[in-house]
Amino acid sequence: QVQLQESGPGLVKPSETLSLICSVSGGSVSSGSYYWNWIRQPPGKGLEWIGYIYYSGSTNSNPSLKSRVTMSVDKSKNQFSLKLSSVTAADTAVYYCARKVSSTWSPNFDYWGQGTLVTVSS
Amino acid sequence: QTVVTQEPSFSVSPGGTVTLTCGLSSGSVSSNYYPSWYQQTPGQAPRTLIYSTNTRSSGVPDRFSGSILGNKAALTITGTQADDESDYYCALYMGNGISVFGGGTKLTVL
Repeated sequence: QVQLQESGPGLVKPSETLSLICSVSGGSVSSGSYYWNWIRQPPGKGLEWIGYIYYSGSTNSNPSLKSRVTMSVDKSKNQFSLKLSSVTAADTAVYYCARKVSSTWSPNFDYWGQGTLVTVSS
Repeated sequence: QTVVTQEPSFSVSPGGTVTLTCGLSSGSVSSNYYPSWYQQTPGQAPRTLIYSTNTRSSGVPDRFSGSILGNKAALTITGTQADDESDYYCALYMGNGISVFGGGTKLTVL
């Protein structure tokens, strides 16, 4: 059974960089069959797709966040990560990592982490 | 920037049928947007119900179905049960690897 687990600081100061890691078990980030995604949800609001990384290291991200987003993959640890720079209170959200099948264009995120709340506050 | 639109809320009686829709602020949704649908209960991660317009995800009951109705994607729930009360999100493929979620619909079963 594939499992994803987010980890990282729950509190980040304004203007600093938010850093999260997603650890994958039961599957491999080295597989070319999937894209590895980040999705967030501000408290009481809807979902927002942040971006994905492929096993090759290629990335794609939401145009509204692109300038602040950096993603990487660590095949040796079976993890992938997100960095979001220059955060503000608007970046406060539950951050999810999720797997998307690469064989279809459809946004079919078939496995999700439980989510981690990141609060931006001084 | 194109926005993906959903009804903010909807209510249905137990046993009834409800159709939730997913549209665009500009233009029509077709199968070329590969619409998918998610169910989310409070405190939980979303769960995929439908992808590629009308393909049910593994384990999803056939009470849930997806389609294109007019210029929107649609999620129809038949024989609605109390535990179908959830938030429902659609997501569309916008090209160039970009996915966009709708604002979500809060479904009440009463």
